[in-house]
Amino acid sequence: SQQGEEDPQALSIQEGENATMNCSYKTSINNLQWYRQNSGRGLVHLILIRSNEREKHSGRLRVTLDTSKKSSSLLITASRAADTASYFCATDAGSYNTDKLIFGTGTRLQVFP
Amino acid sequence: DTAVSQTPKYLVTQMGNDKSIKCEQNLGHDTMYWYKQDSKKFLKIMFSYNNKELIINETVPNRFSPKSPDKAHLNLHINSLELGDSAVYFCASTRRGEDGEQYFGPGTRLTVT
Repeated sequence: SQQGEEDPQALSIQEGENATMNCSYKTSINNLQWYRQNSGRGLVHLILIRSNEREKHSGRLRVTLDTSKKSSSLLITASRAADTASYFCATDAGSYNTDKLIFGTGTRLQVFP
Repeated sequence: DTAVSQTPKYLVTQMGNDKSIKCEQNLGHDTMYWYKQDSKKFLKIMFSYNNKELIINETVPNRFSPKSPDKAHLNLHINSLELGDSAVYFCASTRRGEDGEQYFGPGTRLTVT
C-alpha cells in the first residue's frame, strides 16, 4: 500500500500543551500537506511544505520535513480545545500530472480544557 | 457561500439498490475527486476528473460510475449497493498545477443495510 503512516494514532493533551504528530511516507515527493478533519466534517487544508524546504510555520503550526527519512512532523503549540480533530498528512507521490494525493492514516487529537 | 457541496449528507439504503451522490464546486477549479473514508478513517482516492475527463481510476469496482456534466460538477452513481460500500464519501476539488491543495466537501455518509 502507498498509504503513509501517522504516529501516534491518538493523542490526548491538556489545553496549553504542545501536540506533535509524525508522518512517514514511502515514495519521493514534490510536496507534503497537512489537513485537519473535525468530527463529521470534510478535510481542511492547513499547510503545505515543499520537498526543498525543511521547516515551515503558520500561526501556531510548525511543520518539518526530512526527505532523507521520508518523514514529516506537525507541531501545534499552545493547543486549544478547538484543535480537537483528526490530522492527516498527504503526499503527492512525486506526480506532477494527476494532482493525486495519498493520505496518511491520521492522528486523532483530543485537547481537554 | 459553500465552496464544495455534496448532496445528500446522509443516505441509508438497502443492498442491491442504486443510488447517486452529487457534488458541486463554485471555486472555478478544473479538477475534482471522489474519496472513500472507511470506519477506520482511512481516506482513499477513487476517481479524479480534469475538465470533465477521467484522469484517475483507482481500481474501483465498475458498480461505481462517476459522471462529470461540466467541470463544476462530479456525481457518483453506485449500482447494486453492497454492505461493504458503507462509508463516508468525500468530494474534493483543486486547481491543477497549484501545488495540489484540495478543498473538500462535507461528506456523504452512506449506510447500506
